[in-house]
Amino acid sequence: DSGVTQTPKHLITATGQRVTLRCSPRSGDLSVYWYQQSLDQGLQFLIQYYNGEERAKGNILERFSAQQFPDLHSELNLSSLELGDSALYFCASSPGGRATEAFFGQGTRLTVV
Amino acid sequence: AQTVTQSQPEMSVQEAETVTLSCTYDTSESDYYLFWYKQPPSRQMILVIRQEAYKQQNATENRFSVNFQKAAKSFSLKISDSQLGDAAMYFCAFYDYGGATNKLIFGTGTLLAVQP
Repeated sequence: DSGVTQTPKHLITATGQRVTLRCSPRSGDLSVYWYQQSLDQGLQFLIQYYNGEERAKGNILERFSAQQFPDLHSELNLSSLELGDSALYFCASSPGGRATEAFFGQGTRLTVV
Repeated sequence: AQTVTQSQPEMSVQEAETVTLSCTYDTSESDYYLFWYKQPPSRQMILVIRQEAYKQQNATENRFSVNFQKAAKSFSLKISDSQLGDAAMYFCAFYDYGGATNKLIFGTGTLLAVQP
C-alpha cells in the first residue's frame, strides 16, 4: 500500500458527461501529480499541484481541470467526455515539489460509453 | 526533449533465473533521476528502484539491481532469483531534476512473464 488513495476505483459514464476523480496523498506529502495511462498514449503527465498551487502542466486537455484543497487532497475534473478519454488515471504524491520519489495510487479506471 | 525507450515489449524468464530488462534514454541534462516502476495486474504502480545520475554506484534493492551507464544513456534492470510475483509490466522512467516540466517521462513498458 503506497499510502495514496484514489476514489472511485472504477467509473463508467456516457459521452458528454462530467466526472470528478479524487486523490488523497500520502500523509505529509505536499505534491500531487495526475497521470493518464491509455493504450495508445502510454503514461502521460497531466498536471502537478504543490501545496495548493499549480506547479507544472503537461498534456492536459482544456476540458480537464484539477485543484488541490487546503487539506492537500486533489480532484481531477473531466468534462464533455469523449470515448477517447477512457483510460486509467493515476494520482501520485511526493514530499516536496520534485518528483524524485513519487508514490502512486491504485488508479481510477474510467470507461466512457 | 527527453525520451525513454524500452525496446523489449515482452520478456519471459524461468522461476529462480535472472532476467535483464533494457532501457535507454535521451537527454542533454547532467542531473536527473532514473526509475523502474512495476505494474502488476492489480494496476498499482510500484516504485522498484531509483538511481541518481550523479552517483556512479549502481542502485540495488534486494533481488533488483540496475546497470547504469551514463555515457551510453543506458539503465537496465536485473531481477535475480525471479519469482512468480515478479510477473508484471515494468516501466523505466526519467526525471529531469533541474527542469521546469517537473514530470516523470515513462517508456512504453516491458511485460515480464515468469514461468514456473
